[in-house]
Amino acid sequence: DAGVIQSPRHEVTEMGQEVTLRCKPISGHDYLFWYRQTMMRGLELLIYFNNNVPIDDSGMPEDRFSAKMPNASFSTLKIQPSEPRDSAVYFCASSRTGGIDEQFFGPGTRLTVL
Amino acid sequence: AQKVTQAQTEISVVEKEDVTLDCVYETRDTTYYLFWYKQPPSGELVFLIRRNSFDEQNEISGRYSWNFQKSTSSFNFTITASQVVDSAVYFCALCEDSSYKLIFGSGTRLLVRP
Repeated sequence: DAGVIQSPRHEVTEMGQEVTLRCKPISGHDYLFWYRQTMMRGLELLIYFNNNVPIDDSGMPEDRFSAKMPNASFSTLKIQPSEPRDSAVYFCASSRTGGIDEQFFGPGTRLTVL
Repeated sequence: AQKVTQAQTEISVVEKEDVTLDCVYETRDTTYYLFWYKQPPSGELVFLIRRNSFDEQNEISGRYSWNFQKSTSSFNFTITASQVVDSAVYFCALCEDSSYKLIFGSGTRLLVRP
């Protein structure tokens, strides 16, 4: 298996622009997680899905953030409008049985908002 | 609420030294899972180990060993005969069975000098 795939790997955008991050989980994994990593706040869980349904989005910082999982092999995290404080590395991860199981992480998307 | 504390922000050792990374956790659940992940300079997150709260047996995998003690709510990680390739940030994480959410500690940056 190719592992969790994220795109783009790097994104530089200007404040106010819409940003869309993409993730393809490992086939057969029922859970998908979106994390954000910053120096100040460390690794934070933003949202997770089970069988394409959002289960817990309490970590989503603001209404500017939204996530979707239209099918078992694709998820997006959208920021609209983006702000400089959104600059971070965004990781997608997947697992078979949720947080209690080993999570496989993608390589991350480094987002810079100018 | 669940919480993971990694008090050591940064550790520097000389190659071949043994080093222990500390992890202290807080949880009200009786069933929970503890993890260690490694984040090398390349940035990806790599799973190292998972333990459940009912299994306090220590584990050894090559140069790596883990000491789980419920009495002190600790899950410490020891690298024996450290190598330069062990240089990375190491994260301890906790998942309560009731939440399915993985909560990470702030990480310990390990630098192994030749």
